[in-house]
Amino acid sequence: DTAVSQTPKYLVTQMGNDKSIKCEQNLGHDTMYWYKQDSKKFLKIMFSYNNKELIINETVPNRFSPKSPDKAHLNLHINSLELGDSAVYFCASSFTGTTSQKLLFGSGTQLSVL
Amino acid sequence: KQEVTQIPAALSVPEGENLVLNCSFTDSAIYNLQWFRQDPGKGLTSLLLIQSSQREQTSGRLNASLDKSSGRSTLYIAASQPGDSATYLCVVGGSEKLVFGKGTKLTVNP
Repeated sequence: DTAVSQTPKYLVTQMGNDKSIKCEQNLGHDTMYWYKQDSKKFLKIMFSYNNKELIINETVPNRFSPKSPDKAHLNLHINSLELGDSAVYFCASSFTGTTSQKLLFGSGTQLSVL
Repeated sequence: KQEVTQIPAALSVPEGENLVLNCSFTDSAIYNLQWFRQDPGKGLTSLLLIQSSQREQTSGRLNASLDKSSGRSTLYIAASQPGDSATYLCVVGGSEKLVFGKGTKLTVNP
């Protein structure tokens, strides 16, 4: 199946831990994104990578570090987790350089920091 | 800076009604506009994508319109069903990034 897949779907962890969320797309898209959905259900972009290069880096704590080993993968690593990091994180991908930009999302990772 | 507003924030209708969800944006220099559906506990599903050169797109009971000059888009849902209950997000694509509205939570009552 062609899709954007992210793992894990649920992540429960203690404050101070380091965790990673993985994202993979087999759509041949050249751009991948990480979004954070806050408690008010508002989606905010965190990072965007185009062909493995960082092109958008919003005001996100340095504890968050994206890693793109290749065009099909964009992983999100979070150090020293804090309570406020609890949220749903969505990975997405699209083509850029055209007006299409149809964005496809993964199913989300619900992160709970205790 | 592009801002996207969706009104109303929540809408409750009886089954069978036709309804309209509204989206407005402040900068008309957009590439496209996309409507998504988000179900509780699930991800986002793309419903319709309208290019900046288009006026509308249709898929089944859904019709999305775009008026760039006035900075507005509408999502029309015909003959609503309980399965249409979800949050609907409007997303505007520009030269740099996508900007999301906060969504309209739709409840269709049987």
